[in-house]
Amino acid sequence: DAGVTQSPTHLIKTRGQQVTLRCSPKSGHDTVSWYQQALGQGPQFIFQYYEEEERQRGNFPDRFSGHQFPNYSSELNVNALLLGDSALYLCASSLDRVNEKLFFGSGTQLSVL
Amino acid sequence: GNSVTQMEGPVTLSEEAFLTINCTYTATGYPSLFWYVQYPGEGLQLLLKATKADDKGSNKGFEATYRKETTSFHLEKGSVQVSDSAVYFCALRLPNRDDKIIFGKGTRLHILP
Repeated sequence: DAGVTQSPTHLIKTRGQQVTLRCSPKSGHDTVSWYQQALGQGPQFIFQYYEEEERQRGNFPDRFSGHQFPNYSSELNVNALLLGDSALYLCASSLDRVNEKLFFGSGTQLSVL
Repeated sequence: GNSVTQMEGPVTLSEEAFLTINCTYTATGYPSLFWYVQYPGEGLQLLLKATKADDKGSNKGFEATYRKETTSFHLEKGSVQVSDSAVYFCALRLPNRDDKIIFGKGTRLHILP
């Protein structure tokens, strides 16, 4: 039973560029949440997708957008990258939007130069 | 606002020592409380949880009790092992609202053989 998988594992971009991160949820899960974890900090909630729609959003600018596909996989897009966007981006999946037990992927480490 | 505060690390202990990592929270209503663990190079894993006052969550020798009167959820283990070295995150889930998880900043634990 595959867990949550994310790609790529590492990414280096320059300021102003755009990036797309990908996530496949745990088998049987239909809800995907994205978190940003800056160095030395706890994960911060970006948004949650369920039934191919954004259901909740944290305090992140519109430069952060996402998508969920019919197979429940998801993408996180960040436009006009800033140095401060450098972080570990974590994807978490759950069932029926219930976050009592989130399953996390290993994350994508994004470095913006 | 809603938040989680946990003791700053790193915490360094010798093998078989007693562990306490303090966590306090601020939240409206009655949140569910969690401890997540992040091993090097991996995503977060749910360690234990408690959903109401006086509940005790336990797993792998770790315990935490939901104390509403002190708004605390301290993590304890009687005898730590080198393999317990990781970053530990205290978190809460807001009830009956947007259901997102709010994490503390994390506490790094080093166990010396």
